[in-house]
Amino acid sequence: DGGITQSPKYLFRKEGQNVTLSCEQNLNHDAMYWYRQDPGQGLRLIYYSQIVNDFQKGDIAEGYSVSREKKESFPLTVTSAQKNPTAFYLCASSMEVDEKLFFGSGTQLSVL
Amino acid sequence: RKEVEQDPGPFNVPEGATVAFNCTYSNSASQSFFWYRQDCRKEPKLLMSVYSSGNEDGRFTAQLNRASQYISLLIRDSKLSDSATYLCVVIFLTGNQFYFGTGTSLTVIP
Repeated sequence: DGGITQSPKYLFRKEGQNVTLSCEQNLNHDAMYWYRQDPGQGLRLIYYSQIVNDFQKGDIAEGYSVSREKKESFPLTVTSAQKNPTAFYLCASSMEVDEKLFFGSGTQLSVL
Repeated sequence: RKEVEQDPGPFNVPEGATVAFNCTYSNSASQSFFWYRQDCRKEPKLLMSVYSSGNEDGRFTAQLNRASQYISLLIRDSKLSDSATYLCVVIFLTGNQFYFGTGTSLTVIP
């Protein structure tokens, strides 16, 4: 079955540590996205990529980095510069930029 | 002003009731509209796209009012399983980004 796989489901970060969230899709979608969701708030865009080897900053990119070396993969690194990383992180993909989004099951990141 | 705004609720309705949510958007040059459903600590899942002529899927009806810049979702004969948060999503022509409302919380009570 085609879909988007995020891992891990839960992740804990220590102070000063970088952590990487995985996102893999086998839907053959060109566009991929990372969102952050905080309680009581809507989804906020961190980064998105429309094509391999290219990505754009979203509204809250500071403290995060991404890569898009393969069409199927769009990992997100939460760096030590992100001072408030505790949130629910959602990866999504779409066939094209204006097509409906499909989401992975999310990663809950917490700070130890 | 936020690009997309929703009444957060919560809406608590009895089983069998009809409930409607609205979502307003700020950019008149918006091209695509969707309603997503999100259960607690799960990913949003597409409920339905919203077309200019309005569309229906079983107990769910979505409508678009471009003049007043809002979309609506109507749920008839509410079921306990309809309890969730409903997110509206708008794509603007400029920037080609998805804009999410904060979600409307619905609880259907036995």
